[in-house]
Amino acid sequence: KAGVTQTPRYLIKTRGQQVTLSCSPISGHRSVSWYQQTPGQGLQFLFEYFSETQRNKGNFPGRFSGRQFSNSRSEMNVSTLELGDSALYLCASSFTGTGGRSPLHFGNGTRLTVT
Amino acid sequence: KQEVTQIPAALSVPEGENLVLNCSFTDSAIYNLQWFRQDPGKGLTSLLLIQSSQREQTSGRLNASLDKSSGRSTLYIAASQPGDSATYLCAPLGGNMLTFGGGTRLMVKP
Repeated sequence: KAGVTQTPRYLIKTRGQQVTLSCSPISGHRSVSWYQQTPGQGLQFLFEYFSETQRNKGNFPGRFSGRQFSNSRSEMNVSTLELGDSALYLCASSFTGTGGRSPLHFGNGTRLTVT
Repeated sequence: KQEVTQIPAALSVPEGENLVLNCSFTDSAIYNLQWFRQDPGKGLTSLLLIQSSQREQTSGRLNASLDKSSGRSTLYIAASQPGDSATYLCAPLGGNMLTFGGGTRLMVKP
């Protein structure tokens, strides 16, 4: 069974630009969550999608948005990039999501560098 | 707001030692708690999931316990190996959100 796939693995963008990251969950998983990991703040929850609906959202500005498609694939968009957005962005999928009891499985992440 | 603390922040041990990693959390209203491993530059690998009704879970050389009422979980690693070197993260699930601790960076020396 294929794991969670995130593309691209690395991205370099300039301040003010926007970026879209993609996540393909494990087959059969309907929940996709996104996390930001930085050396200073650690792992922080961005949002969760379940069956194309945003179910929960962390404490991030509106520049961070996401969506989920009918095949459960998800995209995350960050507009007007700032230097502080440089981070490893991790996607996780699960069968039930955070409303249930099944474990989360993570992808290898997208490393975003903003210059 | 859930806060998760992991002690120690870093640990260096010789191969073969048994070790205990600690995790404490402030809000005991959790559904479950998951332990993860992260290798440098990589994503998280799920190690163990303990449901709130359970006291412990075992997988190979790993054993995780949960005391929900006191807000504590421990990860026990038996007979450590150099391949166990990684950062270990605990994450309780509550309020429809996983909250992560800062992790314990483990180095097992041959």
